[in-house]
Parts: sequence; structure tokens; C-alpha cells
Amino acid sequence: AQSVTQLGSHVSVSEGALVLLRCNYSSSVPPYLFWYVQYPNQGLQLLLKYTSAATLVKGINGFEAEFKKSETSFHLTKPSAHMSDAAEYFCAVSADTGRRALTFGSGTRLQVQP
Amino acid sequence: EAGVTQFPSHSVIEKGQTVTLRCDPISGHDNLYWYRRVMGKEIKFLLHFVKESKQDESGMPNNRFLAERTGGTYSTLKVQPAELEDSGVYFCASSSPGTGSYNEQFFGPGTRLTVL
Repeated sequence: AQSVTQLGSHVSVSEGALVLLRCNYSSSVPPYLFWYVQYPNQGLQLLLKYTSAATLVKGINGFEAEFKKSETSFHLTKPSAHMSDAAEYFCAVSADTGRRALTFGSGTRLQVQP
Repeated sequence: EAGVTQFPSHSVIEKGQTVTLRCDPISGHDNLYWYRRVMGKEIKFLLHFVKESKQDESGMPNNRFLAERTGGTYSTLKVQPAELEDSGVYFCASSSPGTGSYNEQFFGPGTRLTVL
């Protein structure tokens, strides 16, 4: 069984500040981990994914995430927030056991203040 | 290349009525998934098609929900009869065929269903 916990349903940062969105997971098998972003009135877009290669994963729009097995974490960061980063972010986990369904966290809405 | 499309974008129905949601995956994608997000909660998996076959339907909440994918192209999700708790956003996703390494799931914009 797998689960994902996203700490903080709402996060607010100033433009130019560090963005840190937290994700902890639980998985009985080696996980695949993902961050998706949803902009208003759009579908979910994949930001980045961890699939057992490098533990530091770089994604689109300057985001990156680090897989830490000992902490069961996959936090999303961006050094400098931009107004266009305002959106809802979802962490998800999957297992390569043939069952490809994604298990999502409850989402974190990021606000960027000018 | 066209993305995953869903129709309608919004649907408002009364309790007891029937609603059918449609998803058109990216051309050539054998895998098709349905997910649902109830207000403020996490996005939950409903089921997974590989071509026209149901690979995994462990997330379907009850027998009021019927998903089909005739011909292995587009899929429909019918809710009959709809209940208040069925309100939410229904997402469809598709991914390319193949096994082994993970294939990215591409999501549609969702259908927002409101049951009154």
C-alpha cells in the first residue's frame, strides 16, 4: 500500500523567495515519485519525476526535488518564486508492480505575493 | 499533438439523474486512467484501461459507476443514478504503451460534476 502526505494545504511566499513544498510518502516497494502542477482551468502537468536514477531531480520551470529514502521525503523546491508559479501542486507516488495508478497527496496551493 | 480532452467541462445535474463523462486520450496511448477529486481532498484513482480491457478497477466506488472503452479509443464514465457525494472533478489521463520504465501520465483538464 502507498500513501502521500503533503504538509500545508496553503503556502504563501514573496516573489523572489525560496519555494519549499513538503511531501512525505509511504510505500512497501521502491517508489516512483512525482510532482504535478495544476494551473487554473487546466489539467495536471508533470513537473518532475523520480524513477530510481539520480536522487536530485530537476524539472521544468526551475523546480527540483530530492529523494531522501531515510526520511521518506520528496520535497519540491525552487530558489526564487515567480508570480507565474502560483498554482496547486500535487505530490504522487506509484509502484512499478504492474499497477500504474498514481496515489496523490491532498495538494498544496502556492500563493506568490508581489 | 493534441492532448487529453474531456467533455463536458462542467455538468450540473440533480440527484438521481444520469451523467456520462467522456475522455479522448492522446492518439496511440493504450493506457487510460480515470481519477476523481472530491472537494478539497486528494485526487483518487478510479480505474485503468489497457486498450479496451479494464486492467485495474479497484478504485471504483460502487456499482453506480460504469466505465467503458469500446474499441480502445475514447472512454466514457457513466454515473447512474447520481448522488450528492459524487460531486467533484473527474480527471482522465493517458500514457503510452509499454512496460518496464515508467510512462508519464498526461492529464486532461477535468470535468467538474455538481450533483444538486
